[in-house]
Amino acid sequence: DAGVTQSPTHLIKTRGQHVTLRCSPISGHKSVSWYQQVLGQGPQFIFQYYEKEERGRGNFPDRFSARQFPNYSSELNVNALLLGDSALYLCASSLVMGEQFFGPGTRLTVL
Amino acid sequence: RKEVEQDPGPFNVPEGATVAFNCTYSNSASQSFFWYRQDCRKEPKLLMSVYSSGNEDGRFTAQLNRASQYISLLIRDSKLSDSATYLCVVNIRYGGSQGNLIFGKGTKLSVKP
Repeated sequence: DAGVTQSPTHLIKTRGQHVTLRCSPISGHKSVSWYQQVLGQGPQFIFQYYEKEERGRGNFPDRFSARQFPNYSSELNVNALLLGDSALYLCASSLVMGEQFFGPGTRLTVL
Repeated sequence: RKEVEQDPGPFNVPEGATVAFNCTYSNSASQSFFWYRQDCRKEPKLLMSVYSSGNEDGRFTAQLNRASQYISLLIRDSKLSDSATYLCVVNIRYGGSQGNLIFGKGTKLSVKP
């Protein structure tokens, strides 16, 4: 079975632009979570979706939004990009609480 | 105080050494506990869950002390391939969520020949 997939793998944007990142969970997994990992830090929780509803939100500004589709895939949107948004964005899917499996991530660079 | 704290290292050890990592967490509502391993520029991968009774998986042993809010990971007979960053992770379940993973900054391990 395929693992969690994310696209694109790398992305370069300029300040003020908007970005959409995509994630497909492991088949059968209904929960998707998004994390931001900046260099030298552990991943920071952004959002969790389960059955297309937002179930958790981390301490991120309203410029960050997400949604989950009927097929359980998910998008993370970031508006008005700042230099500090440069990071590895990780998507994780889970079947049961706690055991989350991560995708390879999207590396976003904001210039 | 950070929710999950780890010594960032780096821990530089020779092959065959035993190395121990420690972690403390601040939220007593934490419900489940994990160690993840992350290789350079890769995604985190689940190494093992951590149970109150302690658990072992080959060369790896994890311990949890809920009273002290302390988690540990012991690696015996270190291999070159163990070189990675080890992330201490707790899961806190709020309301209708399935639990948010809270990560430490990670401890870097480098195993030398």
